Amino acid sequence: LAKTTQPISMDSYEGQEVNITCSHNNIATNDYITWYQQFPSQGPRFIIQGYKTKVTNEVASLFIPADRKSSTLSLPRVSLSDTAVYYCLVGALSGAGSYQLTFGKGTKLSVIP
Amino acid sequence: NAGVTQTPKFQVLKTGQSMTLQCAQDMNHNSMYWYRQDPGMGLRLIYYSASEGTTDKGEVPNGYNVSRLNKREFSLRLESAAPSQTSVYFCASSESFTPVYGYTFGSGTRLTVV
Repeated sequence: LAKTTQPISMDSYEGQEVNITCSHNNIATNDYITWYQQFPSQGPRFIIQGYKTKVTNEVASLFIPADRKSSTLSLPRVSLSDTAVYYCLVGALSGAGSYQLTFGKGTKLSVIP
Repeated sequence: NAGVTQTPKFQVLKTGQSMTLQCAQDMNHNSMYWYRQDPGMGLRLIYYSASEGTTDKGEVPNGYNVSRLNKREFSLRLESAAPSQTSVYFCASSESFTPVYGYTFGSGTRLTVV
């Protein structure tokens, strides 16, 4: 399974755009990149998923360069409610034909008033 | 609009006791998963069920067993609890092996083994 590396923590002021970068140097051809958000005492929540180039939804954008060895989650105009841990995951097909996601330690984003 | 429901939400066990964590989803998803999360750590996959009738080991299966009772329900059993199994357990589900919309997680079961 591809290993991911992301910053342990980040601080941002309200209203700013936040970019969290994740490196995944050994990503495989079939792997997708997925980001989750987790609030304290809750399960992770799916944010966005992509394979290459750019993906955008109502919550965030995901930028993936051509070599796919990294990806950047972009949160526009963050608010205090965006304070959470953000996980970058790279999925992989196992030998049994299943799709497993491996969670790292994530990036703890703190939004400051 | 329940999504993934886990019971119980909290549990305290003595070392050596057994218990079963229950998980049910109402989204007609095919795949279900059990993760554990230790303080300050990410989630680690214990077991998963790619489809009804199948189960497979994940990253940390030792000390656990699972049962995919039907398409909706996936239970996790601790036969002889140990303090090292103190953790928060999350159940998740997805529509398929390669979920376009990711996993849907439950709210977790906080387990303490003393």
